[in-house]
Formats: sequence, C-alpha cells, structure tokens
Amino acid sequence: QLQLQESGPGLVKPSETLSLTCTVSGGSISNDTFYWGWIRQPPGKGLEWIGSVYYSGSTYYNPSLKSRVTISAETSKNQFSLQLRSVSAADTSIYYCAKQRGGYLFSFYSGMDVWGQGTTVTVSS
Amino acid sequence: DIVMTQSPLALPVTPGEAASISCRSSQSLLHGNGYNYLDWYLQKPGQSPQLLIYVGSNRASGVPDRFSGSGSGTHFTLKISRVEADDVGVYYCMQALQTPVTFGQGTRLEIK
Repeated sequence: QLQLQESGPGLVKPSETLSLTCTVSGGSISNDTFYWGWIRQPPGKGLEWIGSVYYSGSTYYNPSLKSRVTISAETSKNQFSLQLRSVSAADTSIYYCAKQRGGYLFSFYSGMDVWGQGTTVTVSS
Repeated sequence: DIVMTQSPLALPVTPGEAASISCRSSQSLLHGNGYNYLDWYLQKPGQSPQLLIYVGSNRASGVPDRFSGSGSGTHFTLKISRVEADDVGVYYCMQALQTPVTFGQGTRLEIK
C-alpha cells in the first residue's frame, strides 16, 4: 500500500527558504499515471494547492506562488520535494503531500487518493 | 482561476438523518472525456484530508455507500444518507479540470 511521509524543518526564519521532502513508500514515484503534489493549510483555514510534479520533471504551479516555488522529483530516492523561497508569516501552514492519479494531460482522473500526514511549518524569527 | 463555492458552511445533523452539501463552480467542470473533474474530500479532526468521491460520483476505495456524489457542469452535491458520529469533520469540494486546482471553503459537519 503506497504511503507518503513529509519531512523537513518545522521552523523557518522570515525571508529564508522552506524546504520539504515527501518520501514515497510501497510504490514508485516513476509510475507514469501519477502526479505528485503539495497542498497547504494555514492554521484554522482551508486547503490551498501549491503545485504538482510528474516523475519526468514536468511541473504545474499555483500562479499565486509560482515566483517563489520549485517542486522537483528525485526518482533515485523515490522522493519529491518542495522549495518555497522568501517566506513570511503568511506561509505558516500544515504542508501535505499527495498522490494524484491522472488529470492534467491525461484522459483519466481518479482524485488525490493518498495523502501524507502533514507537517507543520512555522515562519518566525 | 475556477472559484468553488460551498453551502452551507456549517451543517449540524442528528445521527441517522441525511445530510447534503452543495458545491458550485464558476466554470463548467466537464472534461472532454465526459467526466466532471470534481472531487469531495473529508478532513476529520486532526487528520489529513481523505478522498471520498472523484469525478463527481465515483466513490473512492473503502468509502461507505452512505456517501454519494451527483451533479454536472457547475453544480454538484454530496449526500450522506445516514449520518454517523464518525462523519464529523470538514468536507471540501475540489476541481481538477484546470490548474490551479482549487478547493471550496469547506463545510463543517457536526453532530447535534
């Protein structure tokens, strides 16, 4: 059974770069029917899609964050990662990674069916 | 961006009764393959969101048949036929037709 686990620092200083990794277990990140995504949730608020990556490296980003975000896939480690630059207090959130089957350029879609447990990142000096 | 609007935002329900949540999108979610790219997720307290329904009406693996999704185009509904205590949490609709993927504001279901 495929599982996802986020990891990374829980505290980041303002103006610095937030870096998180999602480790895929029980399956391969190189599966050609999956996208791998990041979603965040500020304290007490709703869900915001950050972006997604395909194993080949193709990416989709939320325009609201695009200038500060890089999502990449590391097939040799079966991981994908998120970098968010120039963070501020507004970036304080729970960050989730998720697996999506199909969608975007595919002619099929089955939802985001596997989510990590989430990792809390606080931006503070 | 496609704007997703849910109603109601809060839903108190007596156990055993039915519940319904509406989700409207600012653009049609109908893909050229004939499916609506609309999902429903439940986020139970302290947990990650979990997929309930995808492409508008398909139940995800392990989801009880008490949950059903319907609708097409710009108007969708999630129905719970008999609410149980374990159904409490925040329900989100989400569109995946276009990037950026967008979510509704969430509907908080509580037990009376």
